[in-house]
Amino acid sequence: GAVVSQHPSWVICKSGTSVKIECRSLDFQATTMFWYRQFPKQSLMLMATSNEGSKATYEQGVEKDKFLINHASLTLSTLTVTSAHPEDSSFYICSASPRAGETQYFGPGTRLLVL
Amino acid sequence: QQQVKQSPQSLIVQKGGISIINCAYENTAFDYFPWYQQFPGKGPALLIAIRPDVSEKKEGRFTISFNKSAKQFSLHIMDSQPGDSATYFCAASGGSGGSNYKLTFGKGTLLTVNP
Repeated sequence: GAVVSQHPSWVICKSGTSVKIECRSLDFQATTMFWYRQFPKQSLMLMATSNEGSKATYEQGVEKDKFLINHASLTLSTLTVTSAHPEDSSFYICSASPRAGETQYFGPGTRLLVL
Repeated sequence: QQQVKQSPQSLIVQKGGISIINCAYENTAFDYFPWYQQFPGKGPALLIAIRPDVSEKKEGRFTISFNKSAKQFSLHIMDSQPGDSATYFCAASGGSGGSNYKLTFGKGTLLTVNP
C-alpha cells in the first residue's frame, strides 16, 4: 500500500516552454501533497504544500507564478513549471500524506532537463 | 530555521558490518522522526519511523534509537549488505497540524557497503 506515482518520469523541453508534472496517490486519498526539488548529491528542498481544494502554500524563495500547483482531487496534484529555463533543470519529487502530520510517501521523481 | 543535523556525510562499511548514522535536532516540538532510503534516480522510500514515546524501534535489520533528552536519534543497519548502498536521510516533523507537519530533512548520508 501507500503508492505514489509521478508522470512523466523524465522530460526534456526547450527553454520558454511549460511543463506539467502529475503526482497521484494510487491506493489512498491524500489530503496533503508536497512538492520537492532535489539537486545532485543534495537533500530534498520543499517547494510547496498543497491541500485538496485550496491554494498551495509556497516556501520562502519559491516563485508561485513560475511553479503552479493544483490539487484538484484527493488523488491528484500537478506541478506546472511555466516558461522553463535551464536553471529549472532538476529532479522534482512529490509526496503525499493520508492526513496532515502522518507519514509522507514519496513518488519516484521526475527529472526535468531544459535545453 | 529549524534544523536536523545528520552525520556522517558518507560512510563505508564492509559486508556484514553495522552501519550507524546519527541525527540531532533542535526543535523540541518535533514528535515524528522517519528515516528514508534513496537510490540514485529514485524517490525516497520510507524505511522506519519513531515517535518520542519509545526509545528504540526495530524492523528487520533496521533499528532506530531515540534519545529525547539529548535530542538525538540514530539509524543502525545490522548485517549491512551491498544492496543497502544508498543515500539515507533522517527527517523530523512536529506532526500537530498547520506548518508543523512539514518534514525537515537532514543533508543525507551516502552509504557504501563493500562486498
